Amino acid sequence: NAGVTQTPKFRILKIGQSMTLQCTQDMNHNYMYWYRQDPGMGLKLIYYSVGAGITDKGEVPNGYNVSRSTTEDFPLRLELAAPSQTSVYFCASTRTDQPFKEAFFGQGTRLTVV
Amino acid sequence: KQEVTQIPAALSVPEGENLVLNCSFTDSAIYNLQWFRQDPGKGLTSLLLIQSSQREQTSGRLNASLDKSSGRSTLYIAASQPGDSATYLCAVRVNRDDKIIFGKGTRLHILP
Repeated sequence: NAGVTQTPKFRILKIGQSMTLQCTQDMNHNYMYWYRQDPGMGLKLIYYSVGAGITDKGEVPNGYNVSRSTTEDFPLRLELAAPSQTSVYFCASTRTDQPFKEAFFGQGTRLTVV
Repeated sequence: KQEVTQIPAALSVPEGENLVLNCSFTDSAIYNLQWFRQDPGKGLTSLLLIQSSQREQTSGRLNASLDKSSGRSTLYIAASQPGDSATYLCAVRVNRDDKIIFGKGTRLHILP
């Protein structure tokens, strides 16, 4: 069971470039989340989705876009990369019908914008 | 708005000691609370999950408690070892909108 898979693991972007961070899960989870983690800080919620076709903003959505066309995939799009978006990005998923709704995380994408 | 606070931000203790990490949250309307471990440069490893109806969960040397009404959780680590050195994060799942909100973590260093 692969769980939550994020690609790429590392990326360097130039200011103004665009990219998509990929996240896919094979657990048939309804809920998926994107977080960013800056040095010495906890995780800040960027966007989340309660199911295919439904997305909502988290705590720090500015500069990002998401889509959820399938249950498995939840890509995060950076349209015009800025140095402030240098961070480690984590994707997570949970079920809704499981009693405990435990969150499972990917291994992260380390993004540097120069 | 749910806010999660973890105290202390950093902690150094000699090997073998028992220790307690604290997590507090402002809105008691939570579905569950989850404790994670994060090693430097790595992802998150789930340690314990407590449902809002539960008071505690145990796994090996770890025990997590939850007092939902007062907005507090503690993670108790018994007989600490150098391998326990890591950052410990707590996160709450909010009832109203299913957001999962994290604290900033406690950096734990166990001295050999």
